[in-house]
Amino acid sequence: GNSVTQMEGPVTLSEEAFLTINCTYTATGYPSLFWYVQYPGEGLQLLLKATKADDKGSNKGFEATYRKETTSFHLEKGSVQVSDSAVYFCALSDTSGTYKYIFGTGTRLKVLA
Amino acid sequence: GAGVSQSPRYKVAKRGQDVALRCDPISGHVSLFWYQQALGQGPEFLTYFQNEAQLDKSGLPSDRFFAERPEGSVSTLKIQRTQQEDSAVYLCASTPRGQSTEAFFGQGTRLTVV
Repeated sequence: GNSVTQMEGPVTLSEEAFLTINCTYTATGYPSLFWYVQYPGEGLQLLLKATKADDKGSNKGFEATYRKETTSFHLEKGSVQVSDSAVYFCALSDTSGTYKYIFGTGTRLKVLA
Repeated sequence: GAGVSQSPRYKVAKRGQDVALRCDPISGHVSLFWYQQALGQGPEFLTYFQNEAQLDKSGLPSDRFFAERPEGSVSTLKIQRTQQEDSAVYLCASTPRGQSTEAFFGQGTRLTVV
């Protein structure tokens, strides 16, 4: 079945450091891929998405490229800020008909000033 | 409303008690999903509605879980005879239609069974 695997956290970085959070997936068909972010005390918010191979999603300085050959969708940011501290979830949209999301377990990011 | 609204935000139930969790999706959104998020885990799919039709309930963990969306808008997730393993955050999400578009999530209901 479809699944998403993302690197375990927590990830602790200093402000302005480079961020990579790895995400790989297993899926039949051609799913859409997403990164959602959950700030403390808040709900899930879409950070970025990509709907087909080689698409690059970007938002707020974050970006991720849909790599079909490596079944990956790694999240990157060149310079993190304290305000980026949150839990990040990689997800795919099941193409079997319901388009339900399948999420990874989440990666907690802590950015220190 | 402007976003997906869930109520209550927090619910403490005694083991064996029945609970009902409410979701108000974004007006006009056709698709509605329920997810269960255990502590430290990603959300896991429970059930899916397209309008009032429940098209997929494969994620419901037992027959104690029941969901409905009788008029194609507000949805209720009911858990009967709650058990400690039901403690989790229950998330509702809606999308405009059944395609791979962004899902809008509510803030969730944190259920604690004591």
